[in-house]
Amino acid sequence: KQEVTQIPAALSVPEGENLVLNCSFTDSAIYNLQWFRQDPGKGLTSLLLIQSSQREQTSGRLNASLDKSSGRSTLYIAASQPGDSATYLCAVTGGSYIPTFGRGTSLIVHP
Amino acid sequence: EAQVTQNPRYLITVTGKKLTVTCSQNMNHEYMSWYRQDPGLGLRQIYYSMNVEVTDKGDVPEGYKVSRKEKRNFPLILESPSPNQTSLYFCASSPMSETGNQPQHFGDGTRLSIL
Repeated sequence: KQEVTQIPAALSVPEGENLVLNCSFTDSAIYNLQWFRQDPGKGLTSLLLIQSSQREQTSGRLNASLDKSSGRSTLYIAASQPGDSATYLCAVTGGSYIPTFGRGTSLIVHP
Repeated sequence: EAQVTQNPRYLITVTGKKLTVTCSQNMNHEYMSWYRQDPGLGLRQIYYSMNVEVTDKGDVPEGYKVSRKEKRNFPLILESPSPNQTSLYFCASSPMSETGNQPQHFGDGTRLSIL
């Protein structure tokens, strides 16, 4: 059974820092990996989706990488801002079409 | 505006009283799913549907029913709710492709309390 782990569970950084969030998974037979952001009282917003054949995806200040063989993905956030404060979740989907989510990294960016 | 709409957003009810949480999307997506989010357990999928009249169990389907009679709607039914179904519920939708579902769009959630 797929297990997804996110490290760290919580992170507090000053504005302007570059930071890396980590996601690891136990079964490398995946279709895709997706990074989400969740704001308090809200649903999830998809940030980046990486197909299994891809190594990375970029959107603005965000860059996500995927290393299937080692079962790892990283989300890199450049020049962090207070508006980036949220919980970041990764989810992997395999052949069953049932995504497995990590428990998230709670990020606070203080001015 | 592209969106997934859930109703109600909040509900407090009692054990055994049947309830339905509605979900509707306006993006013509094939794939729809329901999740519950619990502290310490994260998000877990309850049921999903890859198209009209096609539904399948997720990781935690016990105590729930779904139906997909129309492409845009995917209601979640609790026939006899129990306190362990107290949770935050999310509906999501996405287009399908050969490599699995594409980026998912989530509703804003339904906070359900069963007394």
